[in-house]
Amino acid sequence: NAGVTQTPKFQVLKTGQSMTLQCAQDMNHNSMYWYRQDPGMGLRLIYYSASEGTTDKGEVPNGYNVSRLNKREFSLRLESAAPSQTSVYFCASSGRPSAYEQYFGPGTRLTVT
Amino acid sequence: AQSVTQLDSHVSVSEGTPVLLRCNYSSSYSPSLFWYVQHPNKGLQLLLKYTSAATLVKGINGFEAEFKKSETSFHLTKPSAHMSDAAEYFCVVSEDTGRRALTFGSGTRLQVQP
Repeated sequence: NAGVTQTPKFQVLKTGQSMTLQCAQDMNHNSMYWYRQDPGMGLRLIYYSASEGTTDKGEVPNGYNVSRLNKREFSLRLESAAPSQTSVYFCASSGRPSAYEQYFGPGTRLTVT
Repeated sequence: AQSVTQLDSHVSVSEGTPVLLRCNYSSSYSPSLFWYVQHPNKGLQLLLKYTSAATLVKGINGFEAEFKKSETSFHLTKPSAHMSDAAEYFCVVSEDTGRRALTFGSGTRLQVQP
């Protein structure tokens, strides 16, 4: 039982490049989330998916797209990376028995130059 | 709308002394509240949670927090700090809506001096 896994762990992009961050969970959770963490700001919600086939915007969705590929996987795509997207990205999931409690992956540290 | 304010960005204590990390929240609903800990270059780990049961909540590693509705506070305490407690701590409130998205405080960095 790996919990929530994320790939890659580190990535450096040049401005304008694209990439996809992968997230998978093996806890049979319905809900999945993408957050970004910036210094002094805690975590902010980018997108979430309440269930397979649905996605919705969070607090800071601009510049990102997501895909809920199946119940296990939720990917985050940067179509044209910008330096302002330099951050640490966390994926999380939640579901039965407690819909309130979110489990976090180890994070992806992204630098855009 | 909901929000969380962590009153101290940095707290320094000596090993063996009590820890107090302060958190105030604002929520339109009866909130669910959490404390998460993040050790350097690591992910987030749940310390404890309040979901409208007992107001004094016990978590892992000797931490506890008390929900005080009249003060809209959810302060985190530990009687005796250990060196391994040095980390960043986040107070978090969950929406009482379908998406259950979390709103994070800005974090408190706990430093433990030997």
